[in-house]
Amino acid sequence: EAQVTQNPRYLITVTGKKLTVTCSQNMNHEYMSWYRQDPGLGLRQIYYSMNVEVTDKGDVPEGYKVSRKEKRNFPLILESPSPNQTSLYFCASAGTGVSYEQYFGPGTRLTVT
Amino acid sequence: AQSVTQLGSHVSVSEGALVLLRCNYSSSVPPYLFWYVQYPNQGLQLLLKYTSAATLVKGINGFEAEFKKSETSFHLTKPSAHMSDAAEYFCAVSEKGATGNQFYFGTGTSLTVIP
Repeated sequence: EAQVTQNPRYLITVTGKKLTVTCSQNMNHEYMSWYRQDPGLGLRQIYYSMNVEVTDKGDVPEGYKVSRKEKRNFPLILESPSPNQTSLYFCASAGTGVSYEQYFGPGTRLTVT
Repeated sequence: AQSVTQLGSHVSVSEGALVLLRCNYSSSVPPYLFWYVQYPNQGLQLLLKYTSAATLVKGINGFEAEFKKSETSFHLTKPSAHMSDAAEYFCAVSEKGATGNQFYFGTGTSLTVIP
């Protein structure tokens, strides 16, 4: 089954404790991306990656890091989480055909206290 | 940078009535346009997309959208609402950059269907 998986699905952590949210896709997609969803703000793109070792900032990259060492994986790293990073996070992947039709993962709900 | 405006954060319609969800984008160059649906506690699912092939785009579940360049709009419609259409709907635009496509989403419209 074609899918994007994220782990963990739920995470409660404390300020400053480094964490990683993993994202993996099995569709051989070149493009992968991270978003955060906040009430009243919709989805905002954090980082995206066109292919292995090619990443770029989206609209809200501050406080986040990513890496793309393998085509299927695109982890999101919060080296020193803060309460304002409490949010619902989505990973997505897309082939690089005409339209970049994205497939989304189920989401990771992060709470930073 | 692009911006996407969805007029009406909450829309209520009666079952069987027309659904109209509005989306306007800022680009002067026709971009790729998308509508996604999000059901409670789920990820986003693509409803339909515009890629310049046709201005009237048909999607899943009876939804369609019309690209109007002169109005920079991409409104989503469905002739007859069903209870199962109750969800959050997002309009999105992609913009090609040097290192890949960047995506911009609207703030979403929550659709309530009244029996």
